Amino acid sequence: DIQMTQSPSSLSASVGDRVTITCRASQGIYDSLAWYQQKPGKAPKILVYGASSLESGVPTRFSGSGSRTDYTLTISSLQPEDFATYYCQQYYTTPYTFGQGTKLEIK
Amino acid sequence: EVNLLESGGGLVQPGGSLRLSCVASGFTFGNYDMSWVRQAPGKGLEWVSSISGNAESTYYADSVKGRFTISRDNSKNTLYMQMNSLRAEDTAVYYCAKAPLGARQFLHWGQGTLVPVSS
Repeated sequence: DIQMTQSPSSLSASVGDRVTITCRASQGIYDSLAWYQQKPGKAPKILVYGASSLESGVPTRFSGSGSRTDYTLTISSLQPEDFATYYCQQYYTTPYTFGQGTKLEIK
Repeated sequence: EVNLLESGGGLVQPGGSLRLSCVASGFTFGNYDMSWVRQAPGKGLEWVSSISGNAESTYYADSVKGRFTISRDNSKNTLYMQMNSLRAEDTAVYYCAKAPLGARQFLHWGQGTLVPVSS
């Protein structure tokens, strides 16, 4: 199975900050990577797919990058509605696996 | 508009069984692979199972293989998960999820249904 190691597990930041979350796969996943945002009591919402393609309707302050095993999600200027938990997921092969999550909190 | 509505969750004793359903609307159901993803209380997301649009191919996480069975009825636009031999560690919110055509990322999600396994 492909292990997804996400860091940090939690992060405190302020509105307007630039934030980066990283995800490392235990083997090459060749850009078969998605990022999701989840708010308490809600289903996850996809932000990025294919490592760097922004899903329609997602604000452009979100961006994804990376290759082979190492990927990042960047939020260029945090907005109040961005405080949530973020997950990476590889869909290169089953079993599809998620990172353990990054809880983004207000400083 | 795509809509996925799960049902069938509820309290079940260890060793018991439950069948979850996910009724889909807003798209041609039989054209799309469908999946179940779960989330234990306070924990992260875990992919559980996927099924191809024509139901010929199914895939399972090792944690549920041999106990859970995914199926679908394309005439009813409904996805199912039959869960047998339930364990406390199966306690979770179960989401059904849909990928875009020809893709595998989860674009659309249901609201989830809670399955507590406890005596």
